[in-house]
Amino acid sequence: EVQLVESGGGLVKPGGSLRLSCAASGFTFSSYSMNWVRQAPGKGLEWVSSISSVSGDKNYADSVKGRFTISRDNAKNSLYLQMNSLRAEDTALYYCARGEYQFDCWGQGTLVTVSS
Amino acid sequence: SYELTQTPSVSVSPGQTASISCSGDKLGDQYASWYQQKPGQSPVLVIYHDTKRPSGIPERFSGSNSGNTATLTISETQTMDEADYYCQSWDSTTGVFGGGTKLTVL
Repeated sequence: EVQLVESGGGLVKPGGSLRLSCAASGFTFSSYSMNWVRQAPGKGLEWVSSISSVSGDKNYADSVKGRFTISRDNAKNSLYLQMNSLRAEDTALYYCARGEYQFDCWGQGTLVTVSS
Repeated sequence: SYELTQTPSVSVSPGQTASISCSGDKLGDQYASWYQQKPGQSPVLVIYHDTKRPSGIPERFSGSNSGNTATLTISETQTMDEADYYCQSWDSTTGVFGGGTKLTVL
């Protein structure tokens, strides 16, 4: 069974940092591009970042560029999101999602709350 | 920045056809995907590459994409189809979602 499980969310103060993880199983992780997508409470979906399968090309939404860093460890079947200089507007449920053009598998999400 | 625009809400009676649109500049030149999200659940891919259905998605879900508009069509809508629906595409290397459409079946 294809499965993505996010972890690492929590409460952090503005300006703080957090590292999210996504553990993948049930498929050949190294063969797939991966993404982070977030959803603020009561709001819509927002694409955050993507990383390609082989070359490791990384892309970011303008709203997080320079503050967030996506990475992957294919040996550990894991995806990461390092989030620095966090702001209140980064408060959201963060999903990892599999795919290059479309996102065909999603985790259950991990909640990040940025508040003093 | 590139934007995808969706009508905030659509209502349909059970058994009728629901159409949900997504507009963006030259959207038809890119692939569009659609996701269904029910309250408290993660999104589910229902249409990709404009018209394709993933395994397990009922045939009543179909899609089209031409010009500036992509459309998700749900035929013979059922109460279980009530959900938020999001379109998604790419602006070069940046992913973009529409604002979402709440489908009410009543």
